[in-house]
Amino acid sequence: AQKITQTQPGMFVQEKEAVTLDCTYDTSDQSYGLFWYKQPSSGEMIFLIYQGSYDEQNATEGRYSLNFQKARKSANLVISASQLGDSAMYFCAMREGPLPGGFKTIFGAGTRLFVKA
Amino acid sequence: GAVVSQHPSWVICKSGTSVKIECRSLDFQATTMFWYRQFPKQSLMLMATSNEGSKATYEQGVEKDKFLINHASLTLSTLTVTSAHPEDSSFYICSARDSGWREQGDTQYFGPGTRLTVL
Repeated sequence: AQKITQTQPGMFVQEKEAVTLDCTYDTSDQSYGLFWYKQPSSGEMIFLIYQGSYDEQNATEGRYSLNFQKARKSANLVISASQLGDSAMYFCAMREGPLPGGFKTIFGAGTRLFVKA
Repeated sequence: GAVVSQHPSWVICKSGTSVKIECRSLDFQATTMFWYRQFPKQSLMLMATSNEGSKATYEQGVEKDKFLINHASLTLSTLTVTSAHPEDSSFYICSARDSGWREQGDTQYFGPGTRLTVL
């Protein structure tokens, strides 16, 4: 069963505006971590933000914030003041564990963000 | 920050040959490394978890005899695609966590990826 769902294959946003990328997840664990990564065309995975399941406050990192709604099992990424360089693929990920062998991170299908000038 | 390197960054090979991809943690010790596979415009799919000094744990559906993983030291893991075929063409990404990683939020460092094309 799919555990990370990103329903937006592609999103457009005007430069300098804010955009929300959706992510819902499914887990029976009480302890888990949620991540967002950016993957530009070069292919490297860039860590953006992390939210722990027990964190009461939404995580923020500069222009990135994570809208964590635990009861709804959603972890949306909000990018404020979009820049042209934000155009990339964005992946939501969840880390479960510890499992036999350690933690395991699984990724959603991704959302491609296009920032328009 | 911590750096993970992969070599080669891209490789083209003939069908039937074997290809080895190296993943190195440059400034930290990685007891665990992960290998992912990414098809064009798709997500990262975890192939296997590699623990130093022990056998890799493969995800369901991943052929362990096809994708040989060796994690011989705390800074090096290798993925060998044996008898490669065109359907093995993909972007392979390794990831490593610091040996001191105990919390879920600790950073998982990704390599830059290796693009494999099998003709």
